[in-house]
This record gives sequence, C-alpha cells and structure tokens, in this order.
Amino acid sequence: DAGITQSPRYKITETGRQVTLMCHQTWSHSYMFWYRQDLGHGLRLIYYSAAADITDKGEVPDGYVVSRSKTENFPLTLESATRSQTSVYFCATYGSYNEQFFGPGTRLTVL
Amino acid sequence: GDSVTQMEGPVTLSEEAFLTINCTYTATGYPSLFWYVQYPGEGLQLLLKATKADDKGSNKGFEATYRKETTSFHLEKGSVQVSDSAVYFCAPSNDYKLSFGAGTTVTVRA
Repeated sequence: DAGITQSPRYKITETGRQVTLMCHQTWSHSYMFWYRQDLGHGLRLIYYSAAADITDKGEVPDGYVVSRSKTENFPLTLESATRSQTSVYFCATYGSYNEQFFGPGTRLTVL
Repeated sequence: GDSVTQMEGPVTLSEEAFLTINCTYTATGYPSLFWYVQYPGEGLQLLLKATKADDKGSNKGFEATYRKETTSFHLEKGSVQVSDSAVYFCAPSNDYKLSFGAGTTVTVRA
C-alpha cells in the first residue's frame, strides 16, 4: 500500500528503556518529520530530515535521536525513556504543493 | 519563528449549526496557510489551504480566506454534521515546515 506507516501503533515501556519508533513512506518524499502531540500543545516538531543522512533538530529534540540511512525510513529513538515522553508521536512527509502527509501515529506510554 | 493563536475549545454544537474557528498567525514573509483536521484515533489530514492573500480554500463544506491585512485564516462551515466532530489545527508554513496551533476540539451533537 502506498503512503506512510508507523510502527508500533501502541507501545508501553518503562523508564530508562530504549525505544525505537519506526516510520516508513512509499512516496520517496525528501523531507520527513517527527512530531509529538500533547494535550494543550498541539503538535511540536522533534526532528526533521531533508534527505538521507541529513537531519536537524526541531523545537523539542532533547532525549530523542534520529537517523535516516534510506529515503523511505526515518526511525525515532528514545535512548532512555522518561515519563515526560509519554505522548502520541506522528511521522510526516512533505510532498508537492506544500502539503505534509501524516502517519496514523504511535501512542507511547512510559511507566 | 512562526506562531499561531487558535480559538480555544472545546466547542460543542448541535447538528446544522454554524461553525467558526478563529485563527491568527505571526509569520515572516508570505506564508501559505493550512487547516488540518484530526478525527478520533487518526493522524492529521489536510482539510484546506490558501497560498496567497484573499485566496479562499474550501473542502467538505469548510471555507477559510487568507486575510493578510489581519493575519487571519478563520475556518467556517455553514451547517455542521456529527461526522465533523474532530480536532482542527491551523498552521502557517513558509517552506517545508508547519507551525501548529494548539488545536480546537469540536463536538457536534445530533
């Protein structure tokens, strides 16, 4: 299926554990983004990537690591999860006509 | 950077009522303006957009007009349905990045 997928859709982990959230797109869009969504804050940009091997920080990058070895994948890693990282995470790509396309989200709970 | 002020919610309406969600923005240059909608349990999807002053974006009965002089992009729908219950986000963009408002939760009662 074409589009953008995220996995897992739901994840429960414990404080201090490493967690990786996966994002995959089939369009070959250059730009990809990671956002977190928290009540009252809307969506905040964590990291983005302009192309393979090019990444940059967004508004709230602390505690997160990204990589992009292939155009289609953009994993987000929480190296040592904290309770404050409990959130819903969205991956997005930037397509033509200035539009961003969003994945279905990953709901992460850190206990 | 760019910023957005959206009408605070939640907003609760009856079916067939008129909906307005106010949005004002601060941005450098001449941004494109977007409204995204998030239905329960889903990701965001583009509702409508406008790329220059006085442009009107429209989709699914929703409309918004790019008002450069007032830096506003208010969303309107003349007759809402239960299926319009969602969270609505206003977002300006100068390039590939979006700046989101906090979102406005809209609930439509039958």
